[in-house]
Amino acid sequence: AQTVTQSQPEMSVQEAETVTLSCTYDTSESDYYLFWYKQPPSRQMILVIRQEAYKQQNATENRFSVNFQKAAKSFSLKISDSQLGDAAMYFCAYRSFGGSQGNLIFGKGTKLSVKP
Amino acid sequence: EAQVTQNPRYLITVTGKKLTVTCSQNMNHEYMSWYRQDPGLGLRQIYYSMNVEVTDKGDVPEGYKVSRKEKRNFPLILESPSPNQTSLYFCASSPRGRGIAGNTIYFGEGSWLTVV
Repeated sequence: AQTVTQSQPEMSVQEAETVTLSCTYDTSESDYYLFWYKQPPSRQMILVIRQEAYKQQNATENRFSVNFQKAAKSFSLKISDSQLGDAAMYFCAYRSFGGSQGNLIFGKGTKLSVKP
Repeated sequence: EAQVTQNPRYLITVTGKKLTVTCSQNMNHEYMSWYRQDPGLGLRQIYYSMNVEVTDKGDVPEGYKVSRKEKRNFPLILESPSPNQTSLYFCASSPRGRGIAGNTIYFGEGSWLTVV
């Protein structure tokens, strides 16, 4: 079974600085997607960024970028120029298109605090 | 407007009183899933469905039932709720298959359930 591990329950960053959130996953599949979701205090689930496993180029969305290391099964999220509005829970998620045919599973989350 | 609708959003109930949390999507999605979110445990999957009449257990199915008789609806049933089922519940849906459409996942707003 696939698993997603976020080893940092909490992280803190100074406003305008850069922070990296870690995510590792375990799978025997070769065809899958990886996601980072943001959950602010409202509890809404907001897609931050996604990565297709067969694409070697790391995905980027404005201040958010990922470091995707397929061989190492690592998918970290880098937030540059951190803003107060970035404070939230961040969840890493995995979706396969192999044997499990599209089921979506999540890590336990990392709570990010941003200090002014 | 594309959306996933959960009801009720907030509920306080008593131990043993059967309840159903409804989830409905208006996008003709094949995939639907239920998660519960608890502090420190992230989003854990309860049940998921790849299509009508096709359901499967997630990581924490005990105490829950689901059905998928229509494509748009995926209700979560608690036959005899207990206090350890107090949680925030999310429903999600998406198309199946690869590509951006298959990896745009829609979430409901969450249902806060308290069992006393």
